[in-house]
Amino acid sequence: AQSVTQLGSHVSVSEGALVLLRCNYSSSVPPYLFWYVQYPNQGLQLLLKYTSAATLVKGINGFEAEFKKSETSFHLTKPSAHMSDAAEYFCAVSVKSGGSNYKLTFGKGTLLTVNP
Amino acid sequence: GAGVSQSPRYKVAKRGQDVALRCDPISGHVSLFWYQQALGQGPEFLTYFQNEAQLDKSGLPSDRFFAERPEGSVSTLKIQRTQQEDSAVYLCASSLIPGSGTDTQYFGPGTRLTVL
Repeated sequence: AQSVTQLGSHVSVSEGALVLLRCNYSSSVPPYLFWYVQYPNQGLQLLLKYTSAATLVKGINGFEAEFKKSETSFHLTKPSAHMSDAAEYFCAVSVKSGGSNYKLTFGKGTLLTVNP
Repeated sequence: GAGVSQSPRYKVAKRGQDVALRCDPISGHVSLFWYQQALGQGPEFLTYFQNEAQLDKSGLPSDRFFAERPEGSVSTLKIQRTQQEDSAVYLCASSLIPGSGTDTQYFGPGTRLTVL
């Protein structure tokens, strides 16, 4: 079964520091992978997605992620953290379910704290 | 509207009461998903609609959970005889292209259900 694992339930960085949020996947077929961000009391917003077109994917708000098949990883990075990046981040894999539809299977999330 | 909307945003129910949660997807989106997000966890898939057809209900935790989308637009998730373990945020998402593993799912803000 396809799944994702997020390493680290809480990451704390200083403003201006590198952000690195880790996600590893398990899949027997080429996966479709997503990163979503959730701000308090809001729904999930797509940051970026990997659809096999390019291994380095650039998203919104300066985030990017690199798909590494050899490491089964899809880590999320941002060179310089802003206070506004403080939120919960979810990695997800798109899984075929019940015929022709796909559903998202999420990791448990990583809470990012940015310190001034 | 511009995005997915859900109502109510907050719902408190006494154990044993029935509740109904509403989702208004993005206009024209064929696919509609419901997810359940327990505290401190990632969202988990409940059910999927393509237009008015419920094609996948494999994630519904019990027969107390029922969802419908009678006209292929607005959807309602109903929970009968609520239990404390039903306390969670219920997220609705919609997407444009059915049967696509890469299509973006757009999420609503969620309904936070608390069962006392």
